[in-house]
Amino acid sequence: DGGITQSPKYLFRKEGQNVTLSCEQNLNHDAMYWYRQDPGQGLRLIYYSQIVNDFQKGDIAEGYSVSREKKESFPLTVTSAQKNPTAFYLCASSNIVLTGKGNTEAFFGQGTRLTVV
Amino acid sequence: QKEVEQNSGPLSVPEGAIASLNCTYSDRGSQSFFWYRQYSGKSPELIMFIYSNGDKEDGRFTAQLNKASQYVSLLIRDSQPSDSATYLCAVTLVTGGGNKLTFGTGTQLKVEL
Repeated sequence: DGGITQSPKYLFRKEGQNVTLSCEQNLNHDAMYWYRQDPGQGLRLIYYSQIVNDFQKGDIAEGYSVSREKKESFPLTVTSAQKNPTAFYLCASSNIVLTGKGNTEAFFGQGTRLTVV
Repeated sequence: QKEVEQNSGPLSVPEGAIASLNCTYSDRGSQSFFWYRQYSGKSPELIMFIYSNGDKEDGRFTAQLNKASQYVSLLIRDSQPSDSATYLCAVTLVTGGGNKLTFGTGTQLKVEL
């Protein structure tokens, strides 16, 4: 089955600790995205990547880091610099439409709910 | 100015009515446009996508795009209680570093019996 997998589903972090959220896709998509969602809010873009070994900051990148060493994988690290990390994190992937129309539709993983304890 | 703006709602409509959801975007270079539905605690799921000016229909859903006005809308005909959810508008902007996919804050729709 093709799809996008996030793990873990629930994650608890102690104050001052770094944690890494996993995102893997087998859809052969070029573009991958990380979003943060707070209760009652929309999705805010953290980082995005269009090709291997390249990624761009989104609107709320401070306190987060990513890597894109393989096309299939786009892990997100929530660092201790992120002061309010408790949120629902969503990873998505899509393809690039070469005719200048932007992207095809994005598919989402099931999300990781991160809580600081 | 936010890149993608939506009214947060809630928008309440009676069962069987037409629900109209609206979205505006700030960058004229925006390309592909999407509507997603999200149930509480779940991931967003795609409802419609539209690339060109005009209307696009799929079952009970119609997406409308007006690039001159920087406006995209979603109409839901014969609204059902199961349509009650948050509807997210998303826009792709082609940048030098890649295609940035930005979401609005979502509109909560409530379909009442």
